[in-house]
Amino acid sequence: DGGITQSPKYLFRKEGQNVTLSCEQNLNHDAMYWYRQDPGQGLRLIYYSQIVNDFQKGDIAEGYSVSREKKESFPLTVTSAQKNPTAFYLCASSMAGVTDTQYFGPGTRLTVL
Amino acid sequence: AQSVTQLDSHVSVSEGTPVLLRCNYSSSYSPSLFWYVQHPNKGLQLLLKYTSAATLVKGINGFEAEFKKSETSFHLTKPSAHMSDAAEYFCVVRKDTGRRALTFGSGTRLQVQP
Repeated sequence: DGGITQSPKYLFRKEGQNVTLSCEQNLNHDAMYWYRQDPGQGLRLIYYSQIVNDFQKGDIAEGYSVSREKKESFPLTVTSAQKNPTAFYLCASSMAGVTDTQYFGPGTRLTVL
Repeated sequence: AQSVTQLDSHVSVSEGTPVLLRCNYSSSYSPSLFWYVQHPNKGLQLLLKYTSAATLVKGINGFEAEFKKSETSFHLTKPSAHMSDAAEYFCVVRKDTGRRALTFGSGTRLQVQP
């Protein structure tokens, strides 16, 4: 089955700890994205990557870091510098063409205690 | 800059009645527009997309949307609501040059009453 997987589904961490969220896709998509969703709000872009070994900051990148060493993987690290990390995190991917559509993973709910 | 306004944060309909979820966009160029649906604690599923072809776009599960440039609107409709349609719906605009990330509306929660 082709798709996007995110793990874990639920994640709990203590304040001050870094945590890494996994995102893997087997759709052979070039571009991958990380979004954050807070209650009652739409999604906001954290980071995106259009090709391997390259990524750009989105609208709310502070306190987050990413890597793109492989085409199929785009892990997101939530660092201790992120002031309010509790949220629902969604990963997406797309082909690189002009009419590419973004497809989303099932999400990871991060709760910082 | 581009933006999306979903005019209703919450819509409630009875099963079997029509659904209308309203969306207005602002863009200085011809955008691509999308509707996504999100069920509780799930990822987003694409319902339909407009990419400058036909202005009336048909999507999955009986949904459709009409792009009206003069009104800068992209409202989502369905003739007859089903209980399984209860979810959060997001209208989304995408710039088709440079960074192709999406700009999301704040969402409309659709409630379907039996």
